[in-house]
Amino acid sequence: NAGVTQTPKFRVLKTGQSMTLLCAQDMNHEYMYWYRQDPGMGLRLIHYSVGEGTTAKGEVPDGYNVSRLKKQNFLLGLESAAPSQTSVYFCASRKSTSIQALGETQYFGPGTRLLVL
Amino acid sequence: GEDVEQSLFLSVREGDSSVINCTYTDSSSTYLYWYKQEPGAGLQLLTYIFSNMDMKQDQRLTVLLNKKDKHLSLRIADTQTGDSAIYFCAESPTYGGYNKLIFGAGTRLAVHP
Repeated sequence: NAGVTQTPKFRVLKTGQSMTLLCAQDMNHEYMYWYRQDPGMGLRLIHYSVGEGTTAKGEVPDGYNVSRLKKQNFLLGLESAAPSQTSVYFCASRKSTSIQALGETQYFGPGTRLLVL
Repeated sequence: GEDVEQSLFLSVREGDSSVINCTYTDSSSTYLYWYKQEPGAGLQLLTYIFSNMDMKQDQRLTVLLNKKDKHLSLRIADTQTGDSAIYFCAESPTYGGYNKLIFGAGTRLAVHP
């Protein structure tokens, strides 16, 4: 199993450009998440999905859109990038659909470093 | 509200014990987690504790939970240079069955000879 993979690893954008970050997992997990990590702060949830075809907003959803057309993929889109979106983006996935299983946790991808100039 | 706080930096000598502390706010959290992030990598689950437990030991790691004070700590015995990383505490409040992780800002552990 590759686990959770993210592409690209690094990207530089100009203000106003758009891009899509791809997250893929091969563990047949139901839940998928997108976080951003900024210096001196913990991870903040952008959007999440509880299953194929469903998405929901997290703590900091503004300026981002997501889609979950296939169970194994979760896409994060920036329609018009802003310097405030410079960050490291992490995708994660989790198995269960509703109740918390014993010690079940989220599995994280390696991250995408995004710089918006 | 939801808030997880931890100190930002800890420096220890190789071979000593490290203790990383965390306070959280949401008493509905069933599990509390410690994640490790090495440079340039994603977060990796180190250990977790069920909220009904006071202590959990896992090889060199000891997790202590004081539910009354909402205080969680991670002790690493015989700290090695390979333990240098950022350690994140996370609580997991449950809203309508949806599991959500709230992370602290992370504690950077530096291990020196």
